[in-house]
Amino acid sequence: GEEVAQTPKHLVRGEGQKAKLYCAPIKGHSYVFWYQQVLKNEFKFLISFQNENVFDETGMPKERFSAKCLPNSPCSLEIQATKLEDSAVYFCASSQFGQGAEQPQHFGDGTRLSIL
Amino acid sequence: GESVGLHLPTLSVQEGDNSIINCAYSNSASDYFIWYKQESGKGPQFIIDIRSNMDKRQGQRVTVLLNKTVKHLSLQIAATQPGDSAVYFCAENRGAGGTSYGKLTFGQGTILTVHP
Repeated sequence: GEEVAQTPKHLVRGEGQKAKLYCAPIKGHSYVFWYQQVLKNEFKFLISFQNENVFDETGMPKERFSAKCLPNSPCSLEIQATKLEDSAVYFCASSQFGQGAEQPQHFGDGTRLSIL
Repeated sequence: GESVGLHLPTLSVQEGDNSIINCAYSNSASDYFIWYKQESGKGPQFIIDIRSNMDKRQGQRVTVLLNKTVKHLSLQIAATQPGDSAVYFCAENRGAGGTSYGKLTFGQGTILTVHP
């Protein structure tokens, strides 16, 4: 599609439950990025993919967070054993190529995760 | 630590005025900069980008200026309209050609309010 599509728009989970978020990048974009936005302000980079391969995962809390981008499927971000501090809006972005030729990242409208 | 920040957290203007939103960055290795607009409940929307080999770039009603000497970035919006009201973020990419590609670091955001 022409837009990054994220589902669901809002996800509510009890503390300790699992949460799974989905992202369909713009068709033809080979890079996918996940960011966490807390308090409508600060963005934190989590992870990036080049096609189905993890490109940079330096922002991921690896104990509970995992992500995948499989062929012919939406990308996903999964949080195990959620904590109150995981409450945030999670944004997915995609871009075209590539190293040596920066291209702007285009964002979806995010998934608001609320941990109760 | 190194960061991208904004001088003015809020800016109020009258419809038809020109707006200038400023951003400071601290990493001289940053080579790609993007301005995003974020409306309530939406994801960041790409406005304009600039590479470090440029000082100025113009789009439709928007101009981005880059001063590498003082590590300063600005977004100028001409004839500001009520629909321009949003939070504006600058973001930097600290290097193409390496694993840091695509890992955007965002500034804190400036709230622009346009009064009719």
